[in-house]
Amino acid sequence: SQTIHQWPATLVQPVGSPLSLECTVEGTSNPNLYWYRQAAGRGLQLLFYSVGIGQISSEVPQNLSASRPQDRQFILSSKKLLLSDSGFYLCAYRDRGHDEQFFGPGTRLTVL
Amino acid sequence: LAKTTQPISMDSYEGQEVNITCSHNNIATNDYITWYQQFPSQGPRFIIQGYKTKVTNEVASLFIPADRKSSTLSLPRVSLSDTAVYYCLVGERRSGSARQLTFGSGTQLTVLP
Repeated sequence: SQTIHQWPATLVQPVGSPLSLECTVEGTSNPNLYWYRQAAGRGLQLLFYSVGIGQISSEVPQNLSASRPQDRQFILSSKKLLLSDSGFYLCAYRDRGHDEQFFGPGTRLTVL
Repeated sequence: LAKTTQPISMDSYEGQEVNITCSHNNIATNDYITWYQQFPSQGPRFIIQGYKTKVTNEVASLFIPADRKSSTLSLPRVSLSDTAVYYCLVGERRSGSARQLTFGSGTQLTVLP
């Protein structure tokens, strides 16, 4: 069966520190992968999506970056976190030829 | 991308049928309508998708009028566990670019005892 993992589940980081969030998918090949951010009480904002290894598209300009070093691995990074980076980060995947997106458990990031 | 408009919040009581309407006046010919459900501190979960008329699954029904400028998610006999945020999304069903649909703020449904 297909599963999606994210870690860590929660993270508290000081302003200016680096960030690395990891997402992995099992049970599927060559999925489309997505990173979203959700601020408290708000909808989801698409940050990045990827159609294949090394292929990253950015939806909004920001101090975050994404990478896809392997087919089923998606990483969200930052060199220097800002207070405004706090939020709930969700990774999702979608199989080719299918409609539904499946979301991971999310990472709650608090930047102090 | 077609923009969607939903009520910010709705209240209902257990056992009632709940209908959440979404407006999408600029829907394109190739666009499908998809609804997701999100519980606090969890990722959204797919509920239902449709193109026109009516779609029904074990969880909900989706009603889409002929002009497709709106859609209504119908939840039969809600329970307390249906309290969640419901998102309406519009976009191409299988976009070759993998570009994701836009999640708006959704509708916070609160089911009361």
